[in-house]
Amino acid sequence: EVQLVESGGGLVQPGRSLKLSCAASGFTFSNYGMAWVRQAPTKGLEWVATISYDGSSTYYRDSVKGRFTISRDNAKSTLYLQMDSLRSEDTATYYCARHEMGLDWFAYWGQGTLVTVSS
Amino acid sequence: DTVLTQSPALAVSPGERVTISCRASESVSTGMHWYQQKPGQQPKLLIYGASNLESGVPARFSGSGSGTDFTLTIDPVEADDTATYFCQQSWNDWTFGGGTKLELK
Repeated sequence: EVQLVESGGGLVQPGRSLKLSCAASGFTFSNYGMAWVRQAPTKGLEWVATISYDGSSTYYRDSVKGRFTISRDNAKSTLYLQMDSLRSEDTATYYCARHEMGLDWFAYWGQGTLVTVSS
Repeated sequence: DTVLTQSPALAVSPGERVTISCRASESVSTGMHWYQQKPGQQPKLLIYGASNLESGVPARFSGSGSGTDFTLTIDPVEADDTATYFCQQSWNDWTFGGGTKLELK
């Protein structure tokens, strides 16, 4: 059974940093591209970042470029999101998701971890 | 960025047929996918590649379209289908529609 379990969320002050993790199991992690998708309270879904199966390619939405870094450790089957210079508008539940067919749709999602940016 | 536009809400009676639309600001070919999200839960994939039913999803759900106009159809609607439905494109990076909240009368 495919499982994605996020951790690392919490309350953080504006301008500070936070690192999210996503532990994957039930599939060969190193074969799949992975992504982070967020959802602000009562809002819609917003793609944040994507990383290729081997980590050689990364993609970011404009609003997080230069502040967020997506990475992966295939030996540990773990995906990461380093978030620096956090802003109030980054407040959201962050989901880890597995890309299908290369870097296409998302068939599997974690349960999410809440990040609240507030002083 | 490719913007996806969905109507915000729909209300239908159980047993009826409902179509949820998604319009892209530019062509995404058949790179359109649909998700269902219930309160407090993660999204669930329903349709990929515009018209392919994800394994385990009831055949009451179907998708169609190509280019810029896409639809998700539920026929017949059941009480358990109360949820928000999102479209997502993967042709030009990745973007989601704003979601359509489906309520049952």
